Amino acid sequence: GENVEQHPSTLSVQEGDSAVIKCTYSDSASNYFPWYKQELGKRPQLIIDIRSNVGEKKDQRIAVTLNKTAKHFSLHITETQPEDSAVYFCAARPIIQGAQKLVFGQGTRLTINP
Amino acid sequence: ETGVTQSPTHLIKTRGQQVTLRCSSQSGHNTVSWYQQALGQGPQFIFQYYREEENGRGNFPPRFSGLQFPNYSSELNVNALELDDSALYLCASLRDFSTDTQYFGPGTRLTVL
Repeated sequence: GENVEQHPSTLSVQEGDSAVIKCTYSDSASNYFPWYKQELGKRPQLIIDIRSNVGEKKDQRIAVTLNKTAKHFSLHITETQPEDSAVYFCAARPIIQGAQKLVFGQGTRLTINP
Repeated sequence: ETGVTQSPTHLIKTRGQQVTLRCSSQSGHNTVSWYQQALGQGPQFIFQYYREEENGRGNFPPRFSGLQFPNYSSELNVNALELDDSALYLCASLRDFSTDTQYFGPGTRLTVL
């Protein structure tokens, strides 16, 4: 079945530095790739997403890149701040009839050290 | 905030019992997906409802069932609860089954003893 691998599982960076989280997906027909941020005890919040017809997307300090050939996509956070500390999940949407099913990675716990 | 609400916030049940969780989708959205998030893991797709019909299901046994009502709110029912059913249950609201963006509710934390 569809699978999404996410690395690293934990990441610690100094405030102001950049953070990069990487994901690979198994279904080459997947066409939508969102990233969610989940703070402790809260709902996953969509922070950025990219569709398969685009290679890169940026929103202020956050950017996502997609390499369809290699079947991987990455989240880049620049100028990290303490409030960026959270668990980040990547997801891919395989093409299946009917449902908009998201397949999630295992998550990355990002800690920003002041 | 997304406008997606879930109830109850927390729930404690014992093995073998049945539970019903509820979700109100965002205004204008007609599609609801349900996910199970075990501690320390990513959410796993349970099923999706579009206009009161189930239109997709993940690898969950039949004791996981659902409903969607004419106002597009939804219920998740789990029968014969097992210890492994302990998790955060999230619903996600979509404007339409063909759209991409899924907005999550705050979740219901289910503990099975």
